[in-house]
Amino acid sequence: ETGVTQTPRHLVMGMTNKKSLKCEQHLGHNAMYWYKQSAKKPLELMFVYSLEERVENNSVPSRFSPECPNSSHLFLHLHTLQPEDSALYLCASSQDLGQETQYFGPGTRLLVL
Amino acid sequence: AQKVTQAQTEISVVEKEDVTLDCVYETRDTTYYLFWYKQPPSGELVFLIRRNSFDEQNEISGRYSWNFQKSTSSFNFTITASQVVDSAVYFCALSGNRGSTPGRLYFGRGTQLTVWP
Repeated sequence: ETGVTQTPRHLVMGMTNKKSLKCEQHLGHNAMYWYKQSAKKPLELMFVYSLEERVENNSVPSRFSPECPNSSHLFLHLHTLQPEDSALYLCASSQDLGQETQYFGPGTRLLVL
Repeated sequence: AQKVTQAQTEISVVEKEDVTLDCVYETRDTTYYLFWYKQPPSGELVFLIRRNSFDEQNEISGRYSWNFQKSTSSFNFTITASQVVDSAVYFCALSGNRGSTPGRLYFGRGTQLTVWP
């Protein structure tokens, strides 16, 4: 049973569109993460939030803009994306930063046309 | 540097066979954790196990077992009597206490396991 939900599950957007991915965790965790998973590439950590503060921005292009309004919600705002941004975007949460287990949501499959 | 290597890109077995997924890691940390996740076709990464670097006892959970050997920096995963539902991509990951973000997970590239009926 997953305590991390993501919406939408699938998204198709044009390069000029603006969209947002939403992640919600129901586990009472304090840390949340965005990952990108492209075909044939390893999982890439994009952003890390702890207690609503961003603690890591892993050289992600500015067309990806994260937002963490509270410890239960995490957004990824998308604008002027490129076709190579098509991927599975995974959200995760953990009790705190540190060597804690991360629990993942089902992901959003994004296709940029 | 933290690194996880899963040399097996794809493995195919027939149902009821045993299969072992290899994981080799590199770290300079004295305290670290190792993880295994399963990713079925639906996409979600499902947590399977977390192991502390000080605990080298092997673990068994149903048909799953894990062999942790610090001497060879390996944390291998065995599925006994495999089933079709075990078909998924399996990721090994490492979390150390150094680096810019404590507890950051370093993933291997994953092993695609296909179990045929």
